[in-house]
Amino acid sequence: GEDVEQSLFLSVREGDSSVINCTYTDSSSTYLYWYKQEPGAGLQLLTYIFSNMDMKQDQRLTVLLNKKDKHLSLRIADTQTGDSAIYFCAERRNDYKLSFGAGTTVTVRA
Amino acid sequence: GAGVSQSPSNKVTEKGKDVELRCDPISGHTALYWYRQRLGQGLEFLIYFQGNSAPDKSGLPSDRFSAERTGESVSTLTIQRTQQEDSAVYLCASSPTWDRGNEQYFGPGTRLTVT
Repeated sequence: GEDVEQSLFLSVREGDSSVINCTYTDSSSTYLYWYKQEPGAGLQLLTYIFSNMDMKQDQRLTVLLNKKDKHLSLRIADTQTGDSAIYFCAERRNDYKLSFGAGTTVTVRA
Repeated sequence: GAGVSQSPSNKVTEKGKDVELRCDPISGHTALYWYRQRLGQGLEFLIYFQGNSAPDKSGLPSDRFSAERTGESVSTLTIQRTQQEDSAVYLCASSPTWDRGNEQYFGPGTRLTVT
């Protein structure tokens, strides 16, 4: 099975907040990442959090990390149509490999 | 500055043919990674280069897959005798060094379709 799990779809109304959730299995993960993939484009790193932090905020993005439960979330405030994309959660263990979830497709509706 | 580039952007090939995919990393990035993304799935690690050596080839799915890198620049991923299950988007990423905590910068990918 997947080491990193995410729900596959999220629909949100424009202007509302989006929350995308992710669980991972490796307690030795050092960094956790959120990537965004728009149609026809490569992956864009949105934000990342070091495993000894529990929160990181960057403009409209808030990352919460619950290391005990191995749960990571990404909150997007004031969601816009340009936020429609696939969002990937990824973990980095004590080496260089990133292990990705299957991605959450976020659809923003008017 | 220039990001990671990949070519071709799309490749359609017949089953049994060989294909070569190219990646140009960001200048000065010593680490380079290849991933495969099948439709509707996350990224699957294939191989990692540090400089022109490949300490980890564990993700290559079969001996039909090989990759090489010239110095700390361009890398090619070769798939011999392609099969339909090889159809996917092949993504390349680079980072300044493997032991940085953050950013792997991704290219736009090569969409490979095997007919």
